[in-house]
Amino acid sequence: AQRVTQPEKLLSVFKGAPVELKCNYSYSGSPELFWYVQYSRQRLQLLLRHISRESIKGFTADLNKGETSFHLKKPFAQEEDSAMYYCALSAPGGSYIPTFGRGTSLIVHP
Amino acid sequence: DTAVSQTPKYLVTQMGNDKSIKCEQNLGHDTMYWYKQDSKKFLKIMFSYNNKELIINETVPNRFSPKSPDKAHLNLHINSLELGDSAVYFCASSQTSTTGELFFGEGSRLTVL
Repeated sequence: AQRVTQPEKLLSVFKGAPVELKCNYSYSGSPELFWYVQYSRQRLQLLLRHISRESIKGFTADLNKGETSFHLKKPFAQEEDSAMYYCALSAPGGSYIPTFGRGTSLIVHP
Repeated sequence: DTAVSQTPKYLVTQMGNDKSIKCEQNLGHDTMYWYKQDSKKFLKIMFSYNNKELIINETVPNRFSPKSPDKAHLNLHINSLELGDSAVYFCASSQTSTTGELFFGEGSRLTVL
């Protein structure tokens, strides 16, 4: 069975500090990993997918197959980054239906 | 020009009632989904549906049923509502059934009294 674990329910940092939101997964194969973000009063939207290897809004995420992790990082947090972040996994074993982690609420203080 | 739209946004009802939430996507996508977000913000898949296949999460009570009149619509019908059904229900769509890139609606907050 595929599983996504986000160990931190809440992450609180000050503006300008580095941010790392952790995501670990369990799946015996080659899944596709995603980060979704939900800003206050907005819909859930895709932030990053591992196959694109892009930096979006200063965020990056690298898939580490050895550690089965896909942590989201940003070197300098901004107040507008405050949101709920979900890590998700899609794989053939789960009919490609994305499985989401519990989410991490990021709060960036001024 | 909203891509995925749900109605209603808010729904307050009594236990035992039957209710429906509608979802429409204008992206031309093949696959649609319903997710439930509980009070702890945990997102759980309920259904996935495309033209050929309905995939049901086995933990979803059979009081919940998806109805798809066409490819652009996937409605959620709930019978005999219970207190534990209170949650935010998200509709989403994807271009195909083999991609995990989802486009979400704004959510429908259901409160059962």
